[in-house]
Amino acid sequence: KNQVEQSPQSLIILEGKNCTLQCNYTVSPFSNLRWYKQDTGRGPVSLTIMTFSENTKSNGRYTATLDADTKQSSLHITASQLSDSASYICVVSSGSGGSYIPTFGRGTSLIVHP
Amino acid sequence: DAGVIQSPRHEVTEMGQEVTLRCKPISGHDYLFWYRQTMMRGLELLIYFNNNVPIDDSGMPEDRFSAKMPNASFSTLKIQPSEPRDSAVYFCASSTQRGQLLRQPQHFGDGTRLSIL
Repeated sequence: KNQVEQSPQSLIILEGKNCTLQCNYTVSPFSNLRWYKQDTGRGPVSLTIMTFSENTKSNGRYTATLDADTKQSSLHITASQLSDSASYICVVSSGSGGSYIPTFGRGTSLIVHP
Repeated sequence: DAGVIQSPRHEVTEMGQEVTLRCKPISGHDYLFWYRQTMMRGLELLIYFNNNVPIDDSGMPEDRFSAKMPNASFSTLKIQPSEPRDSAVYFCASSTQRGQLLRQPQHFGDGTRLSIL
């Protein structure tokens, strides 16, 4: 059964600090891995998308890494800001060609304190 | 760009009633997705369309759920009859894939929060 596990479930950090969120998956066949940011009461916003051949992708202060061998990904947030407080969701897709078969993680809830 | 527009933002209705959720995708996007999010189950893909044609509806939980996309700028998700366990936030998302479905970002609306009493 395809699964995506995220850790930690929740995290509290001080503004300006860095943090790293983890995503472990057992999805086969692997197609791509996405990280989303979801603010309270809003829809998810895409941060990064990585395919099998990509091991690092950055989007501003967000950097995602992918190790396809160990089936692990991390999302690193640099110099956190209050606006980074949100839920971060990891989604791993299988399928090929025109198909889309996503498996969702339950998310990490990040709170950034001033 | 106006983004994906969903309506209503909130819906409260009684069990047994018909519920219709609406979505206007971003103009020019040829894929449309319907998702459901609950505390218990997280995000789930219900169904997605390509060029107004349903591609995969295996995530639709029961026959009580149906989705249509009569044209490129409008889609509906209908629940009839509704049950309390259908209470969730329903999201619509759209994407333009340019032949690379698996590599393009999806743009989500802000969802419809549905409560069935």
